[in-house]
Amino acid sequence: SQELEQSPQSLIVQEGKNLTINCTSSKTLYGLYWYKQKYGEGLIFLMMLQKGGEEKSHEKITAKLDEKKQQSSLHITASQPSHAGIYLCGAHRGGSNYKLTFGKGTLLTVNP
Amino acid sequence: NAGVTQTPKFQVLKTGQSMTLQCAQDMNHEYMSWYRQDPGMGLRLIHYSVGAGITDQGEVPNGYNVSRSTTEDFPLRLLSAAPSQTSVYFCASSYSLQGNQPQHFGDGTRLSIL
Repeated sequence: SQELEQSPQSLIVQEGKNLTINCTSSKTLYGLYWYKQKYGEGLIFLMMLQKGGEEKSHEKITAKLDEKKQQSSLHITASQPSHAGIYLCGAHRGGSNYKLTFGKGTLLTVNP
Repeated sequence: NAGVTQTPKFQVLKTGQSMTLQCAQDMNHEYMSWYRQDPGMGLRLIHYSVGAGITDQGEVPNGYNVSRSTTEDFPLRLLSAAPSQTSVYFCASSYSLQGNQPQHFGDGTRLSIL
């Protein structure tokens, strides 16, 4: 199976600070998804990346997929308490194999 | 638009009991799946379905059964509950079978087995 390693496992930042979460794979990523989960709730889709070098942004969150398609980063600019939660990356192998494998998640705490 | 609806939200069972976790989606999605989420383990795929009448095993299928008689519904059955099945269960669905569409998740069912 495709292993996804997320780093860091947890992160505490002061409100207003920038931060980056990484997702690294041992195999080529054909589709990389970022989700956010608040405690006790379901997963909310953030962004999907497919092409090497692709970068997408939504409000203050930017996600990138490197050229080799084996690492993705999620960057939050000027963090806010509303950004707090668990961030998960998920990936599939491509082709007709659409089963998603997830990383173990990064717990983000934003202190006001 | 309801999206993916899971019931119940919470459940406590005794070892050996059986139960069915319900999942329904109203987006006409072909692909549906069940995951369990455990501390330190992340999300793991239990079973999935690519359409009505078609199901297959994921990473951790033992102890669970599924069926897909309609496009909308994808119930997960625990035949004889064990404490190791204490977890948070998520159902997800997506439109595309090629993996280029995001999966939409329900709010989860928190299951405790005593």
